[in-house]
Amino acid sequence: GQNIDQPTEMTATEGAIVQINCTYQTSGFNGLFWYQQHAGEAPTFLSYNVLDGLEEKGRFSSFLSRSKGYSYLLLKELQMKDSASYLCAVRDNAGNMLTFGGGTRLMVKP
Amino acid sequence: DAGVIQSPRHEVTEMGQEVTLRCKPISGHNSLFWYRQTMMRGLELLIYFNNNVPIDDSGMPEDRFSAKMPNASFSTLKIQPSEPRDSAVYFCASSSSDGGRETQYFGPGTRLLVL
Repeated sequence: GQNIDQPTEMTATEGAIVQINCTYQTSGFNGLFWYQQHAGEAPTFLSYNVLDGLEEKGRFSSFLSRSKGYSYLLLKELQMKDSASYLCAVRDNAGNMLTFGGGTRLMVKP
Repeated sequence: DAGVIQSPRHEVTEMGQEVTLRCKPISGHNSLFWYRQTMMRGLELLIYFNNNVPIDDSGMPEDRFSAKMPNASFSTLKIQPSEPRDSAVYFCASSSSDGGRETQYFGPGTRLLVL
């Protein structure tokens, strides 16, 4: 079976750094995705990791450890517009199906 | 590119009525996904098509739900009869099947309320 865990909610201050963790237990692994979803909108792609290590893209970075079944999304220089839900998703085989975690609702406060 | 197109954007109906949701994937994408999202259950995959063929429908909740993809540019998700517990946001997403970094692109969703 598939099991993907993320914290339900997090709060951080504008300008700070926040790390959102994701752990997964899946029958196979072929990539991990992070999506951002603002309230009332569709999920949008943020990052992709398939090898161990850190992928950096501007203020956002994503890390993967396949041996630990662990990933995190790091958001730097937080802005109010970063308030959203962040979804971790695992692709578990050579196909295109993704299994999503429940999402982490991030609230950025002034 | 117009992105994934879904219609209607909002639907309010009464219990027992038939509901049909529509999706046009991004041109050139050969994989299409239907998801349902609720506060309680999060984002759930209902069914997945590859080259217009249903590959995995294990997420379809029951026989009241059916999905079709008659051609590469159109898919429907039908609920008949609808029930209040079907109230949710239904997303359609598409991707190429090249794997790798290729991600799924989501449509704006259909917000369904069954009274």
